[in-house]
Amino acid sequence: GQNIDQPTEMTATEGAIVQINCTYQTSGFNGLFWYQQHAGEAPTFLSYNVLDGLEEKGRFSSFLSRSKGYSYLLLKELQMKDSASYLCAAMDSNYQLIWGAGTKLIIKP
Amino acid sequence: DAGITQSPRYKITETGRQVTLMCHQTWSHSYMFWYRQDLGHGLRLIYYSAAADITDKGEVPDGYVVSRSKTENFPLTLESATRSQTSVYFCASARTENTEAFFGQGTRLTVV
Repeated sequence: GQNIDQPTEMTATEGAIVQINCTYQTSGFNGLFWYQQHAGEAPTFLSYNVLDGLEEKGRFSSFLSRSKGYSYLLLKELQMKDSASYLCAAMDSNYQLIWGAGTKLIIKP
Repeated sequence: DAGITQSPRYKITETGRQVTLMCHQTWSHSYMFWYRQDLGHGLRLIYYSAAADITDKGEVPDGYVVSRSKTENFPLTLESATRSQTSVYFCASARTENTEAFFGQGTRLTVV
């Protein structure tokens, strides 16, 4: 079957770095998305990886290893506004997105 | 205003009633999606549409009906609401099948 695993909750300190891991199993693969979702709001797009390696976008970076079925989202210089859920989603061969349940990130001062 | 909007934002309905959730986008995106989000679950795809007059089932289509007569609108109808359909519903649109999706604000539906 197809599935995505990511930690349910993580806690980090303001100003620190946190890495949110995601492992996936899909029938075929057409890329890996990360979205951010603040409580009570809609998900918003953060990154898309289809090739192996690290993509950096300001304080946020996303890494993909296709051979390992693994991705991570790296958040640097954490700010209180980064408190949110982070959703990992893998796209299968039919271009269907398989979504993880999300990782709730709690930032402490 | 440009973007994707859903209505209503909140809805309480009774078991057995028909209810329609509206979704409108102004980008002329080809793809539109309906998801439901429940605690402990990832987003689950109900239906999607690749273009006007083309719709297809997602992971959890039972009890739902969609239509797409115009590119910009993608309404979702619950034919006979059940308590298990209490959820937050998100509509989304995307330019192509493998580009990022833009989500509406969500509709919180409670079936009593």
